[in-house]
Amino acid sequence: SAVISQKPSRDICQRGTSLTIQCQVDSQVTMMFWYRQQPGQSLTLIATANQGSEATYESGFVIDKFPISRPNLTFSTLTVSNMSPEDSSIYLCSVAGTAGNTIYFGEGSWLTVV
Amino acid sequence: QKEVEQNSGPLSVPEGAIASLNCTYSDRGSQSFFWYRQYSGKSPELIMSIYSNGDKEDGRFTAQLNKASQYVSLLIRDSQPSDSATYLCAVNPPRAGTALIFGKGTTLSVSS
Repeated sequence: SAVISQKPSRDICQRGTSLTIQCQVDSQVTMMFWYRQQPGQSLTLIATANQGSEATYESGFVIDKFPISRPNLTFSTLTVSNMSPEDSSIYLCSVAGTAGNTIYFGEGSWLTVV
Repeated sequence: QKEVEQNSGPLSVPEGAIASLNCTYSDRGSQSFFWYRQYSGKSPELIMSIYSNGDKEDGRFTAQLNKASQYVSLLIRDSQPSDSATYLCAVNPPRAGTALIFGKGTTLSVSS
């Protein structure tokens, strides 16, 4: 499986600010995914990020709030814009395995909005 | 109807017992099914995948799939305290492309 690194691992953010989370993979991957896990909840897919095209967002998530970049096959960023306490979550970057049908996760970015 | 449903638990079993975790899904076109384990404060880790009806065994873990009933289960034999975690069922419905949709997870507690 790929090694997936996320930065920052943790952060405390002020209400109204924006934060960009970086995700670096040690191999080239076609599909990258961003998930959110709110406290005590399961994982919710935010968007799928393909290199060279616009990200595809799930219902309830919009580009203005969660802009995503995918400049190459090993890197992606997720920005959480104009944060509120409801955005306090773990944000997880994930990639599809070489077989294309299994998903591996990074260690997550734990954001607290105060 | 939620896409992937699990009982949230907690499911409590004594050490050495069999733990049975269940999951149902709504999209009959789903073809790939996964079980992840998540320890508190950690990201999910893949335990097993299953694609065909029947059983798939890997060590103490057995995944069972019944597509007609839209049902997936995970059995953990000889449960250990270290198995105490939240177990997430994930499904790959056609609408999601390669992405997975997760259930809310079942919390398992194994007592020694």
